[in-house]
Amino acid sequence: KAGVTQTPRYLIKTRGQQVTLSCSPISGHRSVSWYQQTPGQGLQFLFEYFSETQRNKGNFPGRFSGRQFSNSRSEMNVSTLELGDSALYLCASSQPGQGDEQYFGPGTRLTVT
Amino acid sequence: GEDVEQSLFLSVREGDSSVINCTYTDSSSTYLYWYKQEPGAGLQLLTYIFSNMDMKQDQRLTVLLNKKDKHLSLRIADTQTGDSAIYFCAESPGGGATNKLIFGTGTLLAVQP
Repeated sequence: KAGVTQTPRYLIKTRGQQVTLSCSPISGHRSVSWYQQTPGQGLQFLFEYFSETQRNKGNFPGRFSGRQFSNSRSEMNVSTLELGDSALYLCASSQPGQGDEQYFGPGTRLTVT
Repeated sequence: GEDVEQSLFLSVREGDSSVINCTYTDSSSTYLYWYKQEPGAGLQLLTYIFSNMDMKQDQRLTVLLNKKDKHLSLRIADTQTGDSAIYFCAESPGGGATNKLIFGTGTLLAVQP
């Protein structure tokens, strides 16, 4: 089985722009979660989608949004980028019921200048 | 509140055992996890333990869970240079209602040849 894929792998944007990141889960997985990883704050939960519905949301401003499609692929969007949004964005997929094992993609490295 | 704590750094010699410790906060967490992150990579699920277990062994890895003290540890037997990485413990609060993970700060394991 192919693993979790994320595109693009690297991205450079300027302040004020918006960005869309994509995540394709492992085939058959219906839950996708997003995390932000920074040196200062560590790994922080952004949101989780299951069957196209947001099931949980972390403590991030409304500039961060996401969605999930019927094929379980997910996108996250960050509008009005700030320097502090520079981070590694990781998505994870799981099939609830199988020990809730979450498998992570390689991440998208976003740099905001 | 949500706060998972780990020591920041551990240095061991090749062939020795490594023990990485973690203290979590939510007693309703159904599963507790250990992830490994190598430089520039995403998170690799190493192992997990169900909250009603106190030990789980998986090849060179042994997980111990002390639910009373909310303490989790990961022992790596016969540590190799390839084990050098950052290790994160994570809890899944909320009793399994979502897949949200709360991660610790990560422990950098340095294996000296």
